[in-house]
Amino acid sequence: QVQLQESGPGLVKPSETLSLTCTVSGASINSDYWTWLRQSAGKGLEWIGRVYPSGSSSYSPSFKSRATLSVDTSKNQMSLRLSSVTAADTAVYYCAREEVGRFDPWGQGALVTVSS
Amino acid sequence: DIVLTQSPGTLSLSPGERATLSCRASQTVSSGYLTWYQQKPGQAPRILIFAASSRATGIPDRFSGSGSGTDFTLTISRLEPEDFAVYYCQYYGGSPGITFGPGTKLDIK
Repeated sequence: QVQLQESGPGLVKPSETLSLTCTVSGASINSDYWTWLRQSAGKGLEWIGRVYPSGSSSYSPSFKSRATLSVDTSKNQMSLRLSSVTAADTAVYYCAREEVGRFDPWGQGALVTVSS
Repeated sequence: DIVLTQSPGTLSLSPGERATLSCRASQTVSSGYLTWYQQKPGQAPRILIFAASSRATGIPDRFSGSGSGTDFTLTISRLEPEDFAVYYCQYYGGSPGITFGPGTKLDIK
């Protein structure tokens, strides 16, 4: 059974960088596509980007200039860094496995608040 | 970019009733990439239906999906108390074209 767990600071200051980690169990981070999404009251569910088994990544145009996804195969983890955050980046951030453009399963989510 | 519109915004029904939720795309889409999710308060979305009409593993057969082109429907044949939640449709239009609808809240009448 594949399970995902997001972790990271719950509070980030404006203009700083948000950093989250997703730990995968029950599957290898080297297989499948792994993705980050977020959900906010203002914009609903948004896809941020994905990492491929090769380690390369793909991003939504909305996040391409600020997001960086990476993989640590030794820990079976992937990470999200989102730079220059503002209050608009306050959201619940999810990692999920992606298959043929659909997401299953999802992690439980991590609430990140951007505030000074 | 494809925009997904869901209706109604809120649907109030009683247990045992039939629920019909709509997802409309701004242009013709491939049904192979239309997915439905259920989200309960404090939980992550859970996949229900993929490729417009295929139930995901473990999903009860009271959930069904249909549609093609621009119009898609999620039907819950007889509502159980645990079905009251928010439902989202989602489309994958190739990288980076992934979009979600705004959701339909199904609440108890």
